[in-house]
Amino acid sequence: NAGVMQNPRHLVRRRGQEARLRCSPMKGHSHVYWYRQLPEEGLKFMVYLQKENIIDESGMPKERFSAEFPKEGPSILRIQQVVRGDSAAYFCASSQARGDTGELFFGEGSRLTVL
Amino acid sequence: GQQLNQSPQSMFIQEGEDVSMNCTSSSIFNTWLWYKQDPGEGPVLLIALYKAGELTSNGRLTAQFGITRKDSFLNISASIPSDVGIYFCAGGSSNTGKLIFGQGTTLQVKP
Repeated sequence: NAGVMQNPRHLVRRRGQEARLRCSPMKGHSHVYWYRQLPEEGLKFMVYLQKENIIDESGMPKERFSAEFPKEGPSILRIQQVVRGDSAAYFCASSQARGDTGELFFGEGSRLTVL
Repeated sequence: GQQLNQSPQSMFIQEGEDVSMNCTSSSIFNTWLWYKQDPGEGPVLLIALYKAGELTSNGRLTAQFGITRKDSFLNISASIPSDVGIYFCAGGSSNTGKLIFGQGTTLQVKP
């Protein structure tokens, strides 16, 4: 029973390039959440998706960031024209029910470094 | 927006000691969860609480959902070196459908 799978685990990009982070939720989970963690800080909510729908994107920067969770395939967090401040660990979590009523299971994260 | 205040920020204790950490908020939550994160890894769920006043144990860990629904605490008894890590509380609100995380408590255990 595979857990939440994220890839790549580590990604290095130069300023101005694009970063694509992928997340496959646990089997049977249709709710996906993306969180960002800066060094020595807690997890900051970015976006909540449920198959093909964005439920809450209140934590997403207005520009350059987008997320999707298609009917088939993994959820994708896309960062266009990356800047140094985007360097962080990005965690995906999934749950069987809404996050406030169900338990979130996290992947091991994707660590983005922007040079 | 909703915020959780987690304390203490860090703790350095002797092996065998008991540990207590807590989370408070000005907002009401309908679920409280406690996670542990090891360096370079994702958070792992330790305990989930769903009812105000609920007291739940998982081995040496005990957590309670505050009666006001605005706070929770986590106790670790007889700490061991592998308890080292960052502990996060998280609150779930039915208004938002998502979890909000505290800033974390870094625990170090001296053998």
